Amino acid sequence: NAGVMQNPRHLVRRRGQEARLRCSPMKGHSHVYWYRQLPEEGLKFMVYLQKENIIDESGMPKERFSAEFPKEGPSILRIQQVVRGDSAAYFCASSRGGTNQPQHFGDGTRLSIL
Amino acid sequence: EDQVTQSPEALRLQEGESSSLNCSYTVSGLRGLFWYRQDPGKGPEFLFTLYSAGEEKEKERLKATLTKKESFLHITAPKPEDSATYLCAVQQASGSRLTFGEGTQLTVNP
Repeated sequence: NAGVMQNPRHLVRRRGQEARLRCSPMKGHSHVYWYRQLPEEGLKFMVYLQKENIIDESGMPKERFSAEFPKEGPSILRIQQVVRGDSAAYFCASSRGGTNQPQHFGDGTRLSIL
Repeated sequence: EDQVTQSPEALRLQEGESSSLNCSYTVSGLRGLFWYRQDPGKGPEFLFTLYSAGEEKEKERLKATLTKKESFLHITAPKPEDSATYLCAVQQASGSRLTFGEGTQLTVNP
C-alpha cells in the first residue's frame, strides 16, 4: 500500500467533536475516493473527488459529512458532531483516472468515538 | 443496485492444498471486476482487474477468472503467507465507485 498516505492512522474523538481525516494520493494520481468499513461489514463507497471537484457523493451521509480535494494539499474527509455510529475504518483510494484504472488504497484511519 | 456476494466467508487450507474462492455479482453494465487482498490493520492491496467474460489473469500462485455472473480466484499450492482476506469488487460502466463483497478470510496452515 505504499504511495497513498492517510493520517492519522488512529483518531479518538468524543461525541459531538469534529474529526478530520487526511489523504495524500499516489504520485501522478488525480482521482480520490473515500470508503468506510464498519465493524463486521464490507467496504462501502462514500465519495469520489477530483481536484477541486466532487464528482460523486452519492454514498455520503447527507448530514455532518463533507469532503474536499483542494488544488493544493491532501483530500480531507470531515465529520462534524461525531456520534458512536461513526466509529469505523475510513479508507482513501486514488487512481490515475480515466477508464480501467485500478484504485490503490491507503492503510486507513481507524476512528473511535468515546 | 449492484450486488457482490463472496463465498465461502472463511476458508482454512493446509499448505499446498489448492482451492477456489467465489465472487457472484450483479451489475448494470460491468466496466471491471477487481480482486484485492487485505491483511489485518492494512488497506486493500490491488491484485487483478478483469474486464470481460473468459478473461484470466495470473500472479504467482493466484489465478482469477471471469464469467458473466461470477469470478473465481484460484489458489494453487498456497503458503501460510497467502493468509489474508480476499475482496472482490465491481465497477459499473457508467461510474467509478467500487461495490465490494464482504470478503473471504483465508487461513493457510503450515
